[in-house]
Amino acid sequence: GENVEQHPSTLSVQEGDSAVIKCTYSDSASNYFPWYKQELGKRPQLIIDIRSNVGEKKDQRIAVTLNKTAKHFSLHITETQPEDSAVYFCAAFQGFQKLVFGTGTRLLVSP
Amino acid sequence: DGGITQSPKYLFRKEGQNVTLSCEQNLNHDAMYWYRQDPGQGLRLIYYSQIVNDFQKGDIAEGYSVSREKKESFPLTVTSAQKNPTAFYLCATGVNQPQHFGDGTRLSIL
Repeated sequence: GENVEQHPSTLSVQEGDSAVIKCTYSDSASNYFPWYKQELGKRPQLIIDIRSNVGEKKDQRIAVTLNKTAKHFSLHITETQPEDSAVYFCAAFQGFQKLVFGTGTRLLVSP
Repeated sequence: DGGITQSPKYLFRKEGQNVTLSCEQNLNHDAMYWYRQDPGQGLRLIYYSQIVNDFQKGDIAEGYSVSREKKESFPLTVTSAQKNPTAFYLCATGVNQPQHFGDGTRLSIL
């Protein structure tokens, strides 16, 4: 089955810096890769996603890149703000059945 | 998400007791999912259902049961066989992929 590894587990940046979170997946059949943001005690919220036929997708300060050959994808947040502080999860969709989540990255943006 | 309602928000289970977590959606999504999240951990799939009257085990189904009698509803029962049920339980729906989560139920042992 699919296995998703996520790094780093924690990431501290200064406000205005960029943050990059990386994930690798094992199943070459995976074709959909969402990223979720989860604030303390709340539900995960989808912030951006990418499908396997696209190499990069941007939405304002957030971008995701996908390298199918290497089987890794990354989340890029530019001009970070304190409200970006949260836990971020990557995931890979295995065929038509289920999402497999990474273990999460705790992002702390200091003013 | 406003279209997914989980209840209760907090639930306490006594030893040997079965408890049922509710998940209702009005998004008209075919697929529904149950995840478990332990403190500081990621989400692990318990059960999922692609259509009414059909469901499949996820990675950690032991000690749990589900039903899917209606498209809108996907209740999860935590049975007494689940010896460590304390966790945050999240229901999700999607069109093939889970994209929308409910607000979750926090289950603890009394």
